[in-house]
Amino acid sequence: GAGVSQSPSNKVTEKGKDVELRCDPISGHTALYWYRQSLGQGLEFLIYFQGNSAPDKSGLPSDRFSAERTGGSVSTLTIQRTQQEDSAVYLCASSLAAKYEQYFGPGTRLTVT
Amino acid sequence: DQQVKQNSPSLSVQEGRISILNCDYTNSMFDYFLWYKKYPAEGPTFLISISSIKDKNEDGRFTVFLNKSAKHLSLHIVPSQPGDSAVYFCAASDSGNTPLVFGKGTRLSVIA
Repeated sequence: GAGVSQSPSNKVTEKGKDVELRCDPISGHTALYWYRQSLGQGLEFLIYFQGNSAPDKSGLPSDRFSAERTGGSVSTLTIQRTQQEDSAVYLCASSLAAKYEQYFGPGTRLTVT
Repeated sequence: DQQVKQNSPSLSVQEGRISILNCDYTNSMFDYFLWYKKYPAEGPTFLISISSIKDKNEDGRFTVFLNKSAKHLSLHIVPSQPGDSAVYFCAASDSGNTPLVFGKGTRLSVIA
């Protein structure tokens, strides 16, 4: 079956512009996660959606970051007024409810110039 | 405050030998541990996991060992193959469907 997909695969934007990153989780997976990996760093948790519950936003680094998940499926991560330190690979993952294994998409490489 | 630590950023092993990747954690509430493998330009892929009720889990060439008293786990790959060359991330969770906490990864190079 289809895995987690993300778009775009690469995004170059100018400092100060807004960007939207998209994630299509595996069908039937109720949990969806956003992470980012900066150069030389591990995977940093950003936000987590589980079913109809309020999202866990505890990992968002600033109020410039937001995410939504429409219809319990597709999710969009929005970064407003991008800064150079936002440059990273943004990874989306999904999992079945009550399952530990998360399945990752290929990521979106964001470069802020 | 790193709750999951992979202290070796890189490891080089000869083909056919054993690769041992280590991971330490500080949060005693963690009860499930996973290893992910990541190739360049791809997302991490799940490799193997272990629950805190076990001390060993084996899957083919991959074995994960858990030492709860030492808050330490390790991934053994034997025999190592060139295709195993990748970045390996250790991750931990204190319950299902909560964000995994990842280490910074160890880059494994298997030399033919």
